[in-house]
Amino acid sequence: DQQVKQNSPSLSVQEGRISILNCDYTNSMFDYFLWYKKYPAEGPTFLISISSIKDKNEDGRFTVFLNKSAKHLSLHIVPSQPGDSAVYFCAAEAGGTSYGKLTFGQGTILTVHP
Amino acid sequence: KAGVTQTPRYLIKTRGQQVTLSCSPISGHRSVSWYQQTPGQGLQFLFEYFSETQRNKGNFPGRFSGRQFSNSRSEMNVSTLELGDSALYLCASSLDGQETQYFGPGTRLLVL
Repeated sequence: DQQVKQNSPSLSVQEGRISILNCDYTNSMFDYFLWYKKYPAEGPTFLISISSIKDKNEDGRFTVFLNKSAKHLSLHIVPSQPGDSAVYFCAAEAGGTSYGKLTFGQGTILTVHP
Repeated sequence: KAGVTQTPRYLIKTRGQQVTLSCSPISGHRSVSWYQQTPGQGLQFLFEYFSETQRNKGNFPGRFSGRQFSNSRSEMNVSTLELGDSALYLCASSLDGQETQYFGPGTRLLVL
């Protein structure tokens, strides 16, 4: 039962253009969402997060949008740079007693071409 | 501030052996979570510790165990290793009450 899904295994974008990575979830108990960037054989690096009480959060080139009714979130990277090429994971956390448990999607490989 | 550190970075073991992995959280972080990453299953939650107590546990067999010390450093142990335990083991730390977790570089375990 995959509660967090990233349906696009890969995305290819030209440098300077917008990258849009998508994530869907099924568990209505999730109330906090995060995006991580990961290089092979390294740990994930935190990028940006959003609480379920918001629908948008921005940090520099990164913006996360949350549509609770559709159970969908997306990460926008503008403008995309070659250094953004990595695997991107969305993750979700439920409140209450779900201490320290992040549920991850399968990841999307982003390639930004110069 | 130093990040999350994990030792060792690489490990090779044989089936049936046991292994202990170590994690030092970011200074001031008292919550430590452990994850397993494999190509087939992705990133999966193992367990979380806070103040030397396991507060949450994922769906892994009892061969996987952990503990946390008074200085918040954590160890995880896998006994009777199986080939399928080959994975990248990641630990992450966070401030209690904060959802954002910061990950270490991971320990790559290969079971032969």
